[in-house]
Amino acid sequence: DTEVTQTPKHLVMGMTNKKSLKCEQHMGHRAMYWYKQKAKKPPELMFVYSYEKLSINESVPSRFSPECPNSSLLNLHLHALQPEDSALYLCASSQGTVSGNTIYFGEGSWLTVV
Amino acid sequence: AQSVTQPDIHITVSEGASLELRCNYSYGATPYLFWYVQSPGQGLQLLLKYFSGDTLVQGIKGFEAEFKRSQSSFNLRKPSVHWSDAAEYFCAVGGRGSTLGRLYFGRGTQLTVWP
Repeated sequence: DTEVTQTPKHLVMGMTNKKSLKCEQHMGHRAMYWYKQKAKKPPELMFVYSYEKLSINESVPSRFSPECPNSSLLNLHLHALQPEDSALYLCASSQGTVSGNTIYFGEGSWLTVV
Repeated sequence: AQSVTQPDIHITVSEGASLELRCNYSYGATPYLFWYVQSPGQGLQLLLKYFSGDTLVQGIKGFEAEFKRSQSSFNLRKPSVHWSDAAEYFCAVGGRGSTLGRLYFGRGTQLTVWP
């Protein structure tokens, strides 16, 4: 079962709101990822967690704050976002970040900032 | 540095026709290569991957891809396209060394299928 579950599927938030995106996997994977995807573009890597520790931050603005409470869960806390942050946010996981591990994606959370 | 080129932004084929989507990569070592498909409003689904060994890789939904080191290519093929194959297709290469954990995506190829 290669399933990554993301909630909510859709989120509309104002620029002063605080909200969170959630991601869960039960495949025993030890690496988890957040990607951002704008329309008609490929996904762009935001963060990588390896064994519950942040290993890659692709210079993402601090209004995005990731959290990995345990090996199965990954959150993305959102605060003071801008309209240009509206996008599809994809969570993914893999057995590890060692070369050759397949990365499995969730269905994504559609975020609209108004 | 790793990079992936998908030369075709949009391809249109008739249902039942054969399909080939092109992918070229730039990488200094043996690459890890992937093809993902994304239906409208959905996440990315893995179609197939190449790590080593047999250069012809079979995937899900009747897709296959061939790794050609001499041409730095990993083209995706399907002998007979179905209307449900209409989607965005992304080729990607996996990072090594200091770029472990990264996937480098091509810009994607949008496939339209005519009935």
